[in-house]
Amino acid sequence: EVKLQQSGDELVRPGASVKISCKASGYTFTSYSMHWVKQRPGQGLEWIGAIIPIIDTTEYNQKFKGKATLTADKSSNTANMELSRLTSEDSAVYYCAREKKAGPLDYWGQGVMVTVSS
Amino acid sequence: DIQMTQSPSFLSASVGDRVTINCKASQNINKYLDWYQQKLGEAPKLLIYNTNSLHTAIPSRFSGSGSGTDFTLTISSLQPEDVATYFCFQHNSGNTFGAGTKLELK
Repeated sequence: EVKLQQSGDELVRPGASVKISCKASGYTFTSYSMHWVKQRPGQGLEWIGAIIPIIDTTEYNQKFKGKATLTADKSSNTANMELSRLTSEDSAVYYCAREKKAGPLDYWGQGVMVTVSS
Repeated sequence: DIQMTQSPSFLSASVGDRVTINCKASQNINKYLDWYQQKLGEAPKLLIYNTNSLHTAIPSRFSGSGSGTDFTLTISSLQPEDVATYFCFQHNSGNTFGAGTKLELK
């Protein structure tokens, strides 16, 4: 069974950074890209970027360049996203999602709520 | 960047109704358009990929159609469990979500 288990909710101070993780199981981690998606409270979905774990190649939405950094740890089958210089605009739920061959996102993590507050 | 215009933003329908949701791309995206369902408090779930392919275990009342720039999600007979927000997503060039359609029961 494919499963994406994300780390716990985070409360962080403005200006700080946070790293959230997405542990994959039930499939060959390096064979599929992993995407990240942002959802602000009551809002729609925003595509942040994606990583191809086998070659550590990343692609970012221009809006999130410099904000998000995607990495993949092949030894632990875990994808990570670090968000830097946090502001209230970064308060949101962040999802990881596996890319099925040819593009669609077929499995999603449960989401991590990041709250930026002093 | 490709923009996705989804309509309507809000939809109210009765059980058994045929429901259609539309998505228009700002340029040709070939067949690379997916539909996701998100229930309150849950992660999105893939329903339809590449315009008209039904994802695993999705009921056959859901279907997708279109090509190029205009796409449609159809629910042939609305069920109570279909209350959710629906998003389109293009992955032909970059990746872009539509703004969503909130579907409620009348």
